[in-house]
Amino acid sequence: QVQLVESGGGVVQPGKSLRLSCATSGFIFSHFGMHWVRQAPGKGLEWVAFILYDGTKEYYADSVKGRFTISRDTSKNTLYLQMSSLRAEDTAVYYCARELLGPSRMDVWGQGTTVTVSS
Amino acid sequence: SELTQDPAVSVALGQTVRITCQGDSLRNYYASWYQQKPGQAPLLVIDGKNNRPSGIPDRFSGSSSGNTASLTITGAQAEDEADYYCNSRDSSGNRLVFLFGPGTRVTV
Repeated sequence: QVQLVESGGGVVQPGKSLRLSCATSGFIFSHFGMHWVRQAPGKGLEWVAFILYDGTKEYYADSVKGRFTISRDTSKNTLYLQMSSLRAEDTAVYYCARELLGPSRMDVWGQGTTVTVSS
Repeated sequence: SELTQDPAVSVALGQTVRITCQGDSLRNYYASWYQQKPGQAPLLVIDGKNNRPSGIPDRFSGSSSGNTASLTITGAQAEDEADYYCNSRDSSGNRLVFLFGPGTRVTV
């Protein structure tokens, strides 16, 4: 079955970097755009980044632009989020989600990985 | 651009509740709706063409008009108690963003 499994979360100091991974299975990874969405403690969902199915285009929320980089490795069926210059406000559960078109929606989500930015 | 939702609604067991989402992006793009229960990942319940993923009960339906999208639960059940988020894309020129509403907490 279609599955997304995030990993790489943890506790990190402000200003440091962290890389999240999202291992996918059960579908042809190279056919789908992919998202990262986060949720701060007790808050709502916030879209973070999106990458096209072929990796040719990336889009970011203003809150992370210039600090975060989304990427994908088709040979490993894995999505990544490289996070740098981390701030306390980046503390959240980070979810990866698959994009389905016609119309656009996020039809499959991972279980999330928790990132805590604290000194 | 942003999406707005009522913070909370309550519905009696077996009754009908409508959750609305407003935003300029909805004039050009469809909204999708996600259910989230405590400690769980979001779950797609309705897409912009009122299609339900496999396993989502048919008591969930969606509609839209102008800048407003709606999610209706007809005959709400106890297990429908959750937070519900609307989502749409928005674009201008080369810029593409995806928006989430602030969420509506549904109490049954």
